[in-house]
Amino acid sequence: EAQVTQNPRYLITVTGKKLTVTCSQNMNHEYMSWYRQDPGLGLRQIYYSMNVEVTDKGDVPEGYKVSRKEKRNFPLILESPSPNQTSLYFCASSFRVRQPQHFGDGTRLSIL
Amino acid sequence: ILNVEQSPQSLHVQEGDSTNFTCSFPSSNFYALHWYRWETAKSPEALFVMTLNGDEKKKGRISATLNTKEGYSYLYIKGSQPEDSATYLCAFSSGDSNYQLIWGAGTKLIIKP
Repeated sequence: EAQVTQNPRYLITVTGKKLTVTCSQNMNHEYMSWYRQDPGLGLRQIYYSMNVEVTDKGDVPEGYKVSRKEKRNFPLILESPSPNQTSLYFCASSFRVRQPQHFGDGTRLSIL
Repeated sequence: ILNVEQSPQSLHVQEGDSTNFTCSFPSSNFYALHWYRWETAKSPEALFVMTLNGDEKKKGRISATLNTKEGYSYLYIKGSQPEDSATYLCAFSSGDSNYQLIWGAGTKLIIKP
C-alpha cells in the first residue's frame, strides 16, 4: 500500500532532550516536506527536499534539522526542543512539486 | 515575502446549496497551484494540482479554475453535502519561491443539514 509513515504519532517530552521524528515513503517520491500546523496559522513548511542530498529551508526552519541520505527517508531532528515547538507535524511526499502531496498521519509533539 | 490568501476564512452553507471560495497568489513566475481537503483529525488529502492558465479540473461535485495572469483560483462545490464539511487549503509554488510550496490558511466549510 502506498503510504507515508511517520513515527512516533504522539510524544510528550521535556525541553532540551533531543528527538527525531522519522518519515518514510514507499512511492519512490523525490520531493519530501515537513510541516507544522498551529491553530489559526495553517500549514507552515519547515524544510523540504527536492531529491537525495538536497534540502532547503521553508518558512520556519529555526530549531530544526533534516537530512535526506536516502530517497525514502526524511527525518526531522529537534536538537534541543523548546515549548514553542509544541505542535502537530506532518510529513508529505510527491514525485515533483507539481504533483499532489501525500501526507503522513501526523505527529503530535508536546514539549514541556 | 510570498503570500497566499484564502477567502473567506470560514463559510456556513445549507445542505444542497452550491458554494465557492478563493485562493489568491502572486502572479509572477507561476509554477503550480494545489488544492487540498482537510477533515478534522485526518491528514490533508489532495484534490487538484493545476499548472496552466485557464486550467479547469473536476472531481465529482468539486471543481476548480485557475487564472495565473491575475493570480487567483476558485474552488466550487455543487450541491453541498454534510461530508463536504472540511477545511480547504490551497498551496502555491513559483520559481520565485525556489519551488517551495506556500500554503494559505484555509477556508473552513461547514454544511448545515
